[in-house]
Amino acid sequence: EPEVTQTPSHQVTQMGQEVILRCVPISNHLYFYWYRQILGQKVEFLVSFYNNEISEKSEIFDDQFSVERPDGSNFTLKIRSTKLEDSAMYFCASSEGLGGYTFGSGTRLTVV
Amino acid sequence: AQTVTQSQPEMSVQEAETVTLSCTYDTSESNYYLFWYKQPPSRQMILVIRQEAYKQQNATENRFSVNFQKAAKSFSLKISDSQLGDTAMYFCAFMRRFYNQGGKLIFGQGTELSVKP
Repeated sequence: EPEVTQTPSHQVTQMGQEVILRCVPISNHLYFYWYRQILGQKVEFLVSFYNNEISEKSEIFDDQFSVERPDGSNFTLKIRSTKLEDSAMYFCASSEGLGGYTFGSGTRLTVV
Repeated sequence: AQTVTQSQPEMSVQEAETVTLSCTYDTSESNYYLFWYKQPPSRQMILVIRQEAYKQQNATENRFSVNFQKAAKSFSLKISDSQLGDTAMYFCAFMRRFYNQGGKLIFGQGTELSVKP
């Protein structure tokens, strides 16, 4: 069964450093997403991406965040200057539309 | 704005018994999807079941079924013959339906289900 692949599975970074979280969506999917889950809390939408541009973003997705699909297969989330409160599980997901989502296994980001 | 509420932070059930997890939502939309996702300790998000709002028939996937009450904006998940592997966090989620387009998921707070031997 096709999978969404996320790397790394766990990333530890120092406060103020830039991090890039990587995702390989399912190849024939057209819509891509990033979600965040702070430990013990609910899953929150960050951003959706379609046709090489952001289609929707939440208020969490401020100027510190950016997304990119640099080569037609990878989909990345960049956090420019990490804060302690950015520590969370970050999930990538992709969809072919019409309500079908596949999530990756997540990247646990720890900011120290 | 849409909201999803799960009023049961924790539940437990004996193995082989049936348990029902509750979910209510608020929306002014008429066209949408509802989902239940399972998140085991590995924290992977696994789709359990999906319901399209325009379908009156309740969705069923093996031991998992839903009770979708559109007028009441209620979407409960019933797990029959509970198994130890069902132990997980369960999230209810809402997605507004756009024709042939993706949409964001809005999640509830989750219900932690423990299946006891």
